[in-house]
Amino acid sequence: DAKTTQPPSMDCAEGRAANLPCNHSTISGNEYVYWYRQIHSQGPQYIIHGLKNNETNEMASLIITEDRKSSTLILPHATLRDTAVYYCIVRVANRDDKIIFGKGTRLHILP
Amino acid sequence: SQTIHQWPATLVQPVGSPLSLECTVEGTSNPNLYWYRQAAGRGLQLLFYSVGIGQISSEVPQNLSASRPQDRQFILSSKKLLLSDSGFYLCACKGRLNNEQFFGPGTRLTVL
Repeated sequence: DAKTTQPPSMDCAEGRAANLPCNHSTISGNEYVYWYRQIHSQGPQYIIHGLKNNETNEMASLIITEDRKSSTLILPHATLRDTAVYYCIVRVANRDDKIIFGKGTRLHILP
Repeated sequence: SQTIHQWPATLVQPVGSPLSLECTVEGTSNPNLYWYRQAAGRGLQLLFYSVGIGQISSEVPQNLSASRPQDRQFILSSKKLLLSDSGFYLCACKGRLNNEQFFGPGTRLTVL
């Protein structure tokens, strides 16, 4: 699976949009971009994933650049409960499903 | 819907003692199952995964072992715990909707 690069930490004001970047310049054509988050003392939680089109669900939006070498996770109206570590992962779907987690971005939502 | 049960939630064990952590899954059949560990202040590390009963793959050399005696049961064990085995242990299975991984609540192990 391709490697990803994320900033180690970010701050965002409560109520504002949080934009979390991820670089995956070596992504292959059949690899998806997945985002998870881990709130303190809990297991990671799936947020969203995409291949090349932008995606939106009830939690977030995922913007993937046209060359697919980077993406941005957008939390439209961040709340204090969104404080967590956010992981960006690229992987081939329907393979052995192993996920290798990087260090992620620690997002602090400021009141 | 899928549910993962892990117990115990917290555990304090002396160095050299044995360990058995259990994970059971509901709401799915023949799932791929995974054990991860997260040491304090560090990232998630994949320890083992299993694609079926009795099938275990180890990702890193370590003091731990895993077994899958039933389709929806995954057990993490050690004969003699080390201080470095302390951490947050998470069991996961393949999600049903988005090919994601679905995680359990975890067991926090402290080895003293």
